[in-house]
Amino acid sequence: DTGVSQNPRHKITKRGQNVTFRCDPISEHNRLYWYRQTLGQGPEFLTYFQNEAQLEKSRLLSDRFSAERPKGSFSTLEIQRTEQGDSAMYLCASSVSGRAGETQYFGPGTRLLVL
Amino acid sequence: AQTVTQSQPEMSVQEAETVTLSCTYDTSESDYYLFWYKQPPSRQMILVIRQEAYKQQNATENRFSVNFQKAAKSFSLKISDSQLGDAAMYFCAPNQGGSQGNLIFGKGTKLSVKP
Repeated sequence: DTGVSQNPRHKITKRGQNVTFRCDPISEHNRLYWYRQTLGQGPEFLTYFQNEAQLEKSRLLSDRFSAERPKGSFSTLEIQRTEQGDSAMYLCASSVSGRAGETQYFGPGTRLLVL
Repeated sequence: AQTVTQSQPEMSVQEAETVTLSCTYDTSESDYYLFWYKQPPSRQMILVIRQEAYKQQNATENRFSVNFQKAAKSFSLKISDSQLGDAAMYFCAPNQGGSQGNLIFGKGTKLSVKP
């Protein structure tokens, strides 16, 4: 059990560019969540998957944001046409089963800076 | 849960003393779970303690315990025998409830521990 990993850890991009972040959950964890954390705030929920199915995506911040989990293992979060307001820490978390109350284990996050 | 309020942006405690962090929340769900997470500076989110809303007994985990008042929608965290390593941001996070497991985070309380 190596924990949740996220890559890259840091990303600096220019406004208007596309970025993609990867999350590798703990092995055999069925649920995978994405959150965004801005400075001085608690994390804000974006979307989640149960296996490969994306069960909630209405909280994605705009249609520039999309996420996938094609084989029910790792997941990617893409932001198209980045804006300076997208600068934040993007967190991934996974939990072991399909039950809502299971503990979520967080990765170290990807810190995005849009110039 | 829809909103979470942590009314103490910062708290300070002397090493070996006890401190209580407050949290209130708003929810219309009857079946949900509540969590306290710790986020040390530049490090990832770590679970401190978990409470099932249907259980009347307050959760404890070594030096950490909660005071869960379901009717009042209050979920405070008590840290006993505070240690220097307890210094961190602490987030109260009930889950959405129902079949969704996403967490709703408060703004956090920054805890300092004085030697």
